[in-house]
Amino acid sequence: SQTIHQWPATLVQPVGSPLSLECTVEGTSNPNLYWYRQAAGRGLQLLFYSVGIGQISSEVPQNLSASRPQDRQFILSSKKLLLSDSGFYLCAWSVLGNSYEQYFGPGTRLTVT
Amino acid sequence: DQQVKQNSPSLSVQEGRISILNCDYTNSMFDYFLWYKKYPAEGPTFLISISSIKDKNEDGRFTVFLNKSAKHLSLHIVPSQPGDSAVYFCAASGSVGDSWGKLQFGAGTQVVVTP
Repeated sequence: SQTIHQWPATLVQPVGSPLSLECTVEGTSNPNLYWYRQAAGRGLQLLFYSVGIGQISSEVPQNLSASRPQDRQFILSSKKLLLSDSGFYLCAWSVLGNSYEQYFGPGTRLTVT
Repeated sequence: DQQVKQNSPSLSVQEGRISILNCDYTNSMFDYFLWYKKYPAEGPTFLISISSIKDKNEDGRFTVFLNKSAKHLSLHIVPSQPGDSAVYFCAASGSVGDSWGKLQFGAGTQVVVTP
């Protein structure tokens, strides 16, 4: 069966510090991968998606970047965090060619202070 | 621009009764709709979906209804159970254009099932 891992579960970082959140998927090959953010009291906003190694599409202009160094690894990064980067970050995967049903990881709660 | 809207941020329902969650969308290119359930500090889990070629899909206690002319869908939970207390997200996607390959989520509805 497929499993998606995210770490860390929670993170408190000062403004201006770097960020690296990691997501890995097990039990499937060539997945579509996604990064979402849920700000307080709001829905899920798609940040990045990837259909293959090195292929990243950005949905909104922001202070974040994403990379996919391996087939089942997706990394969310920032060089300098802003207060507005606080939120709940979710990684998700779907079967290549079928983006409809996406499966989410447990999420990372990021607080920028 | 919010293309998927859930106008009720919260819903309280008595155990055993029906929960009805509503969702409206604006993009006529959407052709697949999903409901996700989310507990605090966890990722959303897929609940049920419906294609635009159908107007109803049922899975156990959960039924989703789609009214394409009104651009409206709803999720019915019958009977409601305490374990159904969670945030429910409506999501939509399309197979062409800018909506291809992406899910657009509503803001969610917090459901509380009371004994």
